[in-house]
Amino acid sequence: DIQMTQSPSTLSASVGDRVTLTCRASQNINSWLAWFQQKPGKAPRLLIYKASSLQSGVPSRFSGSGSGTEFTLTISSLQPEDLATYYCQQYNSYSWTFGQGTKVEMK
Amino acid sequence: QVQIQQWGAGLLKPSDTLSLSCAVSGGSLSGYFWSWLRQSPGKGLEWIGEIDHSGSTNYNPSLKSRLTVSVDRSKNQFSLKLSSVTAADTAVYYCARDLSEYFYDNNGYAYRHDSFDMWGQGTMVTVSS
Repeated sequence: DIQMTQSPSTLSASVGDRVTLTCRASQNINSWLAWFQQKPGKAPRLLIYKASSLQSGVPSRFSGSGSGTEFTLTISSLQPEDLATYYCQQYNSYSWTFGQGTKVEMK
Repeated sequence: QVQIQQWGAGLLKPSDTLSLSCAVSGGSLSGYFWSWLRQSPGKGLEWIGEIDHSGSTNYNPSLKSRLTVSVDRSKNQFSLKLSSVTAADTAVYYCARDLSEYFYDNNGYAYRHDSFDMWGQGTMVTVSS
């Protein structure tokens, strides 16, 4: 299976900050990468697919970039409702696999 | 608007069979693959397997020997059965709709790539003696 590694594990930031999360794949996954947001007690929510395509209904302050093995999720101006854990998922080859998550908390 | 509702037994004993179902409302099973995933503190998010409306399945090899995913088109539902459970199967289980994207190679063969754009609410399953 392809291993996905996210960094940092926890990120502390203030409202209005520009926040960047990183996800690395153990092998080339082209652009087959998705980002999810998960709040406590809730199911994950798809934010970004195919590395940089914004899912319908997701605020434009979220953006994704990267290809190959290195990817980033950027929140251009952190809002209180963005406090959550973020996961990346590769879907280049079965079995689809997820990173261990980055928790975004308020500084 | 499509909604997914899931249900099933939440407390099992070792060696029991886990059984969960998902119902899709506001839309059809046709045209999509539908997946099961789980999330545990130890293993994080894990894809379990998927099925389409015709009954075509793909399974995670690590679970394949114990896994059955089925579909009931008449009820617009799909289900998961995982046999011989142990404490390692304790997790929140989710059903989800696949967001499938297709890549065509030079021979016209289509490769399907799936993320997940709609999720059920999750079911906590605990395996304990």
